[in-house]
Amino acid sequence: AQSVTQLGSHVSVSEGALVLLRCNYSSSVPPYLFWYVQYPNQGLQLLLKYTSAATLVKGINGFEAEFKKSETSFHLTKPSAHMSDAAEYFCAVTVTRSGSYQLTFGKGTKLSVIP
Amino acid sequence: GAVVSQHPSRVICKSGTSVKIECRSLDFQATTMFWYRQFPKQSLMLMATSNEGSKATYEQGVEKDKFLINHASLTLSTLTVTSAHPEDSSFYICSARDGGQGILKPNYGYTFGSGTRLTVV
Repeated sequence: AQSVTQLGSHVSVSEGALVLLRCNYSSSVPPYLFWYVQYPNQGLQLLLKYTSAATLVKGINGFEAEFKKSETSFHLTKPSAHMSDAAEYFCAVTVTRSGSYQLTFGKGTKLSVIP
Repeated sequence: GAVVSQHPSRVICKSGTSVKIECRSLDFQATTMFWYRQFPKQSLMLMATSNEGSKATYEQGVEKDKFLINHASLTLSTLTVTSAHPEDSSFYICSARDGGQGILKPNYGYTFGSGTRLTVV
């Protein structure tokens, strides 16, 4: 069964510093992977997705993620953190169940940005 | 882009009453909708998957008689929490998938509503 594991429930970075949020996947088939961001009391917004095209995926707000099959990883990065990046980030993988695609989420990583 | 509207955003109800939450896809046909529950500082837990015109498929441990899901049209799904109790208090989020976009299409994805904060007193 496909699943994702997010390492680190809470990450703090200084404003302007590199953001690195880790996600490892487990899948017996080529996975489709997603990163979502959630602001307090809001739904989820798609940052980027990997669907077996380019291994380096660029998303919105300056985020990108690289699919590394050898490491079963799909870490999210951003060169320079902004205060507005403070939020909860979820890695997700598509699983197929009963003929339909569903998303399975990691436990989330809360990103704090220190001025 | 794809937009999913979820209402209400916040609701407080008395124990024993029922609450209906609506989820609408505004600019696409949502052949499949998903309902999630999120506890404070936790991840999203899938409650059920609904396909338009058919019965919802509930995840293990989710009471189908308590959480009634209706997906009567390609743009509307509703979740009704029946006989609500304080332990049903949570953040409920719906998600919709555009049936016209295959998974390899650039616009493929799951669009989420803004969530509903349910408080049962």
